[in-house]
Amino acid sequence: QVTLKESGPGILKPSQTLSLTCSFSGFSLSTSGMGVGWIRQPSGKGLEWLAHIWWDDDKYYNPSLKSQLTISKDTSRNQVFLKITSVDTADTATYYCARRAGGRYDYWGQGTTLTVSS
Amino acid sequence: DIVMTQSPSSLSVSAGEKVTMSCKSSQSLLNSGNQKNYLAWYQQKPGQPPKLLIYGASTRESGVPDRFTGSGSGTDFTLTISSVQAEDLAVYYCQNDHSYPFTFGSGTKLEIK
Repeated sequence: QVTLKESGPGILKPSQTLSLTCSFSGFSLSTSGMGVGWIRQPSGKGLEWLAHIWWDDDKYYNPSLKSQLTISKDTSRNQVFLKITSVDTADTATYYCARRAGGRYDYWGQGTTLTVSS
Repeated sequence: DIVMTQSPSSLSVSAGEKVTMSCKSSQSLLNSGNQKNYLAWYQQKPGQPPKLLIYGASTRESGVPDRFTGSGSGTDFTLTISSVQAEDLAVYYCQNDHSYPFTFGSGTKLEIK
C-alpha cells in the first residue's frame, strides 16, 4: 500500500527558509522509473507544480521559482525534501507531495499547510 | 512553459446529466516517438488532495468509475462524465505531463443542482 505524508513548520515569517519533508511507504526511490514531486495550492486557488526528483537523482524545478527551490532525497529513509528560501506571504499554501510512476502522479499525500505571516 | 486553459470555469448540472469539460494546451502534448498524449485529469473534492482520474489523455486510473472518459489529442482534450452523480461534486484539473514544468489548468468547478 502506497502512502505519502508531508510535514512542515506550519508557520513562518517572511524571509525565512521553508523545509518540507515527504515521508513515504509502499515503494522505493531506488527503483528505476520512480519519482516524487511537490505541488502546492493556495487556499481556494489552483495547483502549482514546484519540483520533481527521480530515482537516479535527476531533478527538475519550476523556472519561476528555481532560484529558491532545492529538492533532495534520502532513499534509505524513504524521504524527499523540499527547501524554499526567502518565503513571503505568496508562499502561503497547502504543499503536497506525490509519487510519479508509469508517467503519472498516481498517489498524493494529504498535504501540509504553511502560513507566512509577520 | 506550456499554458493549460480549461473551460468552462464552472458548471452546474443535475444528477444523471452528461457533462463535458475542455482543456487546451499551448503546445502539443503528443510524443511523436510513441504517439502518446501526455495529459492527465485530476478530481479534487473539498478538503482533499487531488485524485488521478485519467492519464495518457484517455487511460482511466485503476478504480475510477467508467462514467469518466478522457479523449483528445495534440492540444485539445476533453473530460466527459456520462451520468453525473452527487459525489462528483469537485474541481477538475488537467495537467501537462509532457514537459517540465508540469503545468496545471485553472480548473473546472462542477456543481450539482
